[in-house]
Amino acid sequence: KAGVTQTPRYLIKTRGQQVTLSCSPISGHRSVSWYQQTPGQGLQFLFEYFSETQRNKGNFPGRFSGRQFSNSRSEMNVSTLELGDSALYLCASSGGYSEAFFGQGTRLTVV
Amino acid sequence: GENVEQHPSTLSVQEGDSAVIKCTYSDSASNYFPWYKQELGKGPQLIIDIRSNVGEKKDQRIAVTLNKTAKHFSLHITETQPEDSAVYFCAAPLMRFGAGTRLTVKP
Repeated sequence: KAGVTQTPRYLIKTRGQQVTLSCSPISGHRSVSWYQQTPGQGLQFLFEYFSETQRNKGNFPGRFSGRQFSNSRSEMNVSTLELGDSALYLCASSGGYSEAFFGQGTRLTVV
Repeated sequence: GENVEQHPSTLSVQEGDSAVIKCTYSDSASNYFPWYKQELGKGPQLIIDIRSNVGEKKDQRIAVTLNKTAKHFSLHITETQPEDSAVYFCAAPLMRFGAGTRLTVKP
C-alpha cells in the first residue's frame, strides 16, 4: 500500500509570491491534515479536511488555505509569502479519528 | 482547543538506560493517545498508541502508560539504543501535538 505522498519535496519562493503544495493520502483515507513544522514552534496544526470539507482549523492567518478533492487529494495554498513561512509542511492522512500517517513533507524556503 | 504539554524538551541517556517522556492534556473527553518518532529529514512515524480504556500498552522495548485521572500519558523506552535517537511527539485528539522531545542516546 502506497504511503502519503507530498509534492514537491523542496521549494524556494520569493517574498510576496504564492505557493501550492500537494498531498495524496493513503488509498481509502478520507481525512487529510496539514501541519507547519519549524524548529522553534514544533508541529502546528493548520487544518483538516474530510470528504472535501474543512473539519477543523488551526490558528493561522487567512493567507493559508486548503482544499480537498473528490479523490481525497488535498492542496494547501499560501499567498503573499513571508520569510516566516519558511518551514517544513507536513500532511497526514487518516482513515478515521485514530492513526494518522505522515508524508515526508515539503520544505519551503522563502527568500 | 486541546492543549498538550510535553516534557522534557531534550533528553540525553546512555545506551542501555531507560527514557521516559511525559505529556499532559486538558480535554477529559480525549480517548486516543499516539506517540510519533521523527528522524532527521523524515515525517513523523507512529510508534505506539493507546486508547482510554487501557492503562498500559507495550511493544517490545517501548510502552505507553495512561493516567486518565491525572490526564497524563507517558512513553517509556527501555534498553535504549543509538537508533532510538530522534524527536518524539505525543498527540491528543484532533491531532494537536506536544512540542516534542529530542532524545539522544549516547553509545
